[in-house]
Amino acid sequence: GENVEQHPSTLSVQEGDSAVIKCTYSDSASNYFPWYKQELGKRPQLIIDIRSNVGEKKDQRIAVTLNKTAKHFSLHITETQPEDSAVYFCAASSGYALNFGKGTSLLVTP
Amino acid sequence: SQTIHQWPATLVQPVGSPLSLECTVEGTSNPNLYWYRQAAGRGLQLLFYSVGIGQISSEVPQNLSASRPQDRQFILSSKKLLLSDSGFYLCAWTGIAGGRETQYFGPGTRLLVL
Repeated sequence: GENVEQHPSTLSVQEGDSAVIKCTYSDSASNYFPWYKQELGKRPQLIIDIRSNVGEKKDQRIAVTLNKTAKHFSLHITETQPEDSAVYFCAASSGYALNFGKGTSLLVTP
Repeated sequence: SQTIHQWPATLVQPVGSPLSLECTVEGTSNPNLYWYRQAAGRGLQLLFYSVGIGQISSEVPQNLSASRPQDRQFILSSKKLLLSDSGFYLCAWTGIAGGRETQYFGPGTRLLVL
């Protein structure tokens, strides 16, 4: 089955800096790659996703890149703010189910 | 618009007791439905998914079971809870966003088994 690896497990940046979270996947048939943000005690919320027919997608300060050949995708957050502090999960899917990475705990310090 | 409900929001149960968690979706028909578990400080583990009434796929063999008695209702059950069943249980459904399918989570149920 699909195996998604996510790095780093924790990330601390200063406000205004950029943050990058990387994921790799094993199933070459995977074609959908969402990213979720989970604040403490709350449900995961979809923040951006990318499908295998594009290499990059951007939404304001958030961008995701996909390299299908290398089977890895990344989340980029620019101009980080304290409210960006949360756990971020990547996922990959080739069908009905999403396979999640183990999450990255991002801390943005003022 | 579509919404997803879960109840109860929190639950404290003794070891060996039964469990029933409910998830319902409004505003859509024939959704794909999912149950995930998240242990404290951990990632999301897919437990079951369903593509239709009475159709359940199990991802992890354990003492939990799932049922889908109606199109928009998904139930997670156990006959005898274990301590290791404690966690945050999330129901999710696949909906349409920007013209394409994507997955959305319910508010979750926090289960503590003592």
